[in-house]
Amino acid sequence: AQTVTQSQPEMSVQEAETVTLSCTYDTSESDYYLFWYKQPPSRQMILVIRQEAYKQQNATENRFSVNFQKAAKSFSLKISDSQLGDAAMYFCAHADPSGGGADGLTFGKGTHLIIQP
Amino acid sequence: DSGVTQTPKHLITATGQRVTLRCSPRSGDLSVYWYQQSLDQGLQFLIQYYNGEERAKGNILERFSAQQFPDLHSELNLSSLELGDSALYFCASSAGTGIHEQFFGPGTRLTVL
Repeated sequence: AQTVTQSQPEMSVQEAETVTLSCTYDTSESDYYLFWYKQPPSRQMILVIRQEAYKQQNATENRFSVNFQKAAKSFSLKISDSQLGDAAMYFCAHADPSGGGADGLTFGKGTHLIIQP
Repeated sequence: DSGVTQTPKHLITATGQRVTLRCSPRSGDLSVYWYQQSLDQGLQFLIQYYNGEERAKGNILERFSAQQFPDLHSELNLSSLELGDSALYFCASSAGTGIHEQFFGPGTRLTVL
């Protein structure tokens, strides 16, 4: 079974600083997808960034970037120039396209990110 | 706004009752996923439908069922409700199989008293 582990229940960072959220996963597949979702207090799930396992280049979306280490099964999220609006729960998720993409996302337990003004 | 709509936003009911949650996917999306978010279990995948057919099952209880209609909206039916079924239920949609970028609705908060 796929598992996703987020070892940091809570992280705190000063506004404008950089923070890295950790995620490790376990899969026997070689082709899969990884995601980071953000859940602010409104509870809406918002896709932050995605990474296809076959791509060696790390994904980047503005201030958000990932460090994807396939051999280590590690997928960390770096947030640069942290803003107050970044405060939220962040979930790492895995998807396995075997079976034509039939599986849903497997989520980690989440990391609560606090931004200190 | 993800383009996925869910109704109702909140639902309060009693143990033993049955409820139906409704989801309309983004325009053009053929896949619908249901997830449960609870304090105990975190975010769990329940079930997926693709173009009207059940595609995959996750940790869905036998008391729960779902379907996707010809207009692609989906309903999640929860019966014989227990206190532990209290949770936030999300619907998500994606364009189809092989594409895993899922867009989530705002969720339905279910409270079982």
